Amino acid sequence: DARVTQTPRHKVTEMGQEVTMRCQPILGHNTVFWYRQTMMQGLELLAYFRNRAPLDDSGMPKDRFSAEMPDATLATLKIQPSEPRDSAVYFCASGLGQGAGQPQHFGDGTRLSIL
Amino acid sequence: GENVEQHPSTLSVQEGDSAVIKCTYSDSASNYFPWYKQELGKGPQLIIDIRSNVGEKKDQRIAVTLNKTAKHFSLHITETQPEDSAVYFCAASTLNAGGTSYGKLTFGQGTILTVHP
Repeated sequence: DARVTQTPRHKVTEMGQEVTMRCQPILGHNTVFWYRQTMMQGLELLAYFRNRAPLDDSGMPKDRFSAEMPDATLATLKIQPSEPRDSAVYFCASGLGQGAGQPQHFGDGTRLSIL
Repeated sequence: GENVEQHPSTLSVQEGDSAVIKCTYSDSASNYFPWYKQELGKGPQLIIDIRSNVGEKKDQRIAVTLNKTAKHFSLHITETQPEDSAVYFCAASTLNAGGTSYGKLTFGQGTILTVHP
């Protein structure tokens, strides 16, 4: 089965450090989503790309978060500087964005802890 | 924007019983409703989905129903097994400001399902 691959699976770092999370979408998928999951807020959409172009990053704190797709096989989410409130599980999902209602396939996430 | 409410937050059943999870949505233009199962330490896994032109869809022991008029949809699991224990999320596809859906999903808060042997 094709899968979305996320690295690292776990990250513990101190406040103020830069954090980079990586995602390899399923080959052939042209849409990539970044989500954050916390107990309080549930699953929140942070950013969305189609054909490597950012289409919606309204859910992302712009001052410290940035998302990019250097190429079709890699999406990155960076936090600089990191804060304890950024502690969460970050998921990447990919799909075939041909219009409404396309399934999204999730990776197993990066569990981030900011001390 | 879209708002999705999911109930119950926890559900405990005996093996072999049925389980039903319900969701309501606010945006009448939403037209795609997937259900995800999330196991501990894993990402959400798509288990079934339904589009607004269909009222019901079934896949082995799981089924989803959609009532567009009432703006609610439900997940039904029959003959539950201990391996069905997980967190289940419903979601609805949201239109953007221009009225064109690009697949953005709004998720419910999740239901913790426990199936006792």
